[in-house]
Amino acid sequence: KAGVTQTPRYLIKTRGQQVTLSCSPISGHRSVSWYQQTPGQGLQFLFEYFSETQRNKGNFPGRFSGRQFSNSRSEMNVSTLELGDSALYLCASESSGPYNEQFFGPGTRLTVL
Amino acid sequence: SQQGEEDPQALSIQEGENATMNCSYKTSINNLQWYRQNSGRGLVHLILIRSNEREKHSGRLRVTLDTSKKSSSLLITASRAADTASYFCATIPNSGYALNFGKGTSLLVTP
Repeated sequence: KAGVTQTPRYLIKTRGQQVTLSCSPISGHRSVSWYQQTPGQGLQFLFEYFSETQRNKGNFPGRFSGRQFSNSRSEMNVSTLELGDSALYLCASESSGPYNEQFFGPGTRLTVL
Repeated sequence: SQQGEEDPQALSIQEGENATMNCSYKTSINNLQWYRQNSGRGLVHLILIRSNEREKHSGRLRVTLDTSKKSSSLLITASRAADTASYFCATIPNSGYALNFGKGTSLLVTP
């Protein structure tokens, strides 16, 4: 099976702009989670989507949003970018079953200037 | 919030030696997962150990879990330069839904 894919791999934006990141999960996986990784805060949970519905949400401002499509692909949007949004954004695809085994994509490196 | 804490923060060894990393967490869990991350790249899933398991092996990896002490260890035997990476433990609390990661252990394996 192909792994989790994320596009684009790198992005450079300026403050105030918005950005959309994309994630395609492993075939057959219906749950997609997003995480932000920064040197200062480490890995933090953004939100999780399952069957096109946001099932869980982390403690991030409303500028961070997402959605999931019927083919399980997910997008994450950040509006009104701030310098502090510079981070590696990771998408995880979760296998079905009781153990929440999550497999990550290569990430999108976002730099906000 | 980060539930897991890895120890040590950094570890430097030579090829062929064993590397041991520890992880502590705070609440009851369903399972614990270990991941590897090469510099600035995605997380690679290494192993999942369930709360009712005490030890698990995968190739050169050996993971132990002690739920009474809320701790886990990852042992990499016969380390190689390619094992150089950051290693993270991650848990999902029984009452939670998201992976909680520690800050990671940075492992350097020199030839």
